Amino acid sequence: KAGVTQTPRYLIKTRGQQVTLSCSPISGHRSVSWYQQTPGQGLQFLFEYFSETQRNKGNFPGRFSGRQFSNSRSEMNVSTLELGDSALYLCASRVDRGRSEQYFGPGTRLTVT
Amino acid sequence: GDSVTQMEGPVTLSEEAFLTINCTYTATGYPSLFWYVQYPGEGLQLLLKATKADDKGSNKGFEATYRKETTSFHLEKGSVQVSDSAVYFCALSSNSNSGYALNFGKGTSLLVTP
Repeated sequence: KAGVTQTPRYLIKTRGQQVTLSCSPISGHRSVSWYQQTPGQGLQFLFEYFSETQRNKGNFPGRFSGRQFSNSRSEMNVSTLELGDSALYLCASRVDRGRSEQYFGPGTRLTVT
Repeated sequence: GDSVTQMEGPVTLSEEAFLTINCTYTATGYPSLFWYVQYPGEGLQLLLKATKADDKGSNKGFEATYRKETTSFHLEKGSVQVSDSAVYFCALSSNSNSGYALNFGKGTSLLVTP
């Protein structure tokens, strides 16, 4: 079974621009979550989607948004990019049954200049 | 709120040495506990998990036991290899009516030398 895939793997954007990242979960997984990883703050939860609805949200500004499609694929968008948004963005999926675990994709490395 | 504290790295060991990476947690309710590993340039890989007190998770020679009395989930391996060099993250799941999220520790970098 294919793992979680994320595109693109690398992005370079300029401050003030916006960016969209894409994630395809493992087949059959309906819950998709996004995390931001930086050297200073570590791994931080952004949001979780299930059945096209945002079910949980971390402590990030409104510039960070996401959505999920009917096939469970998800996108996250960051508007008005700031230098501090440079990070590895990780997508994770889970079956969403009982105490099932999350599986992570390889991440998208975003650099804001 | 829920949180995870793990020992600071980097940890440097010789091949075949014994590994312990300490992890303690604070949580309401009964979270599941996880160890993830991250190799350079890659995402996180699930190493092992435990879903209730006294459960022992194990995989690839690594073990960790969910200790509710000490709120700990220490990672151990009897004999490390150079290929084990990576960053290890302890995490707990917060699963409530408001959804699911993982809380991670800061990560512990492990370097194993030949």
